[in-house]
Amino acid sequence: KNEVEQSPQNLTAQEGEFITINCSYSVGISALHWLQQHPGGGIVSLFMLSSGKKKHGRLIATINIQEKHSSLHITASHPRDSAVYICAVVSNTGNQFYFGTGTSLTVIP
Amino acid sequence: DAGITQSPRHKVTETGTPVTLRCHQTENHRYMYWYRQDPGHGLRLIHYSYGVKDTDKGEVSDGYSVSRSKTEDFLLTLESATSSQTSVYFCAIMGDLYIGQFFGPGTRLTVL
Repeated sequence: KNEVEQSPQNLTAQEGEFITINCSYSVGISALHWLQQHPGGGIVSLFMLSSGKKKHGRLIATINIQEKHSSLHITASHPRDSAVYICAVVSNTGNQFYFGTGTSLTVIP
Repeated sequence: DAGITQSPRHKVTETGTPVTLRCHQTENHRYMYWYRQDPGHGLRLIHYSYGVKDTDKGEVSDGYSVSRSKTEDFLLTLESATSSQTSVYFCAIMGDLYIGQFFGPGTRLTVL
């Protein structure tokens, strides 16, 4: 059983499309992070959320604590957005992180 | 970029040999983590450290040990490598959970 589930697993979009990636979790959390892993393998943090919504450029992340759900949106997608997007939650019982299996996004020019 | 490095970056070894992976940070962060990443699985925690000489097991700790004798270094040891330990290993550091983790570049380990 995974504490964190992401959907879809794979996503192909045309350049310019609006993209949504979903994350559901089953544990109590103190924070949720969205990460990006590029084909070269490096992992970087995009957002930390504990409530509400955050925006950074074309990326928007939302979280609904009651429903235990978060979404990552990409507006006006671009081929350079092609990467694996990973949802991670921090349990509220300690400093352990639980990770989703990732959503592989390919944006076609 | 956060100052975190891993060595070696690639390693091929044989079943039964000992292997040590090193994670080094220059950020003086308290928390350090070792994860493995395999197809079909998310990042899975092997061990983590919350201070010098303070470590704890993660969900996939069998076959691995760790040591942290200095704030900046966190070592992961496979005492006797097995083919099931072929994976990509990531180290991460964290100072504040609301900022999140910074990841090292990863080590690709192949056990033949």
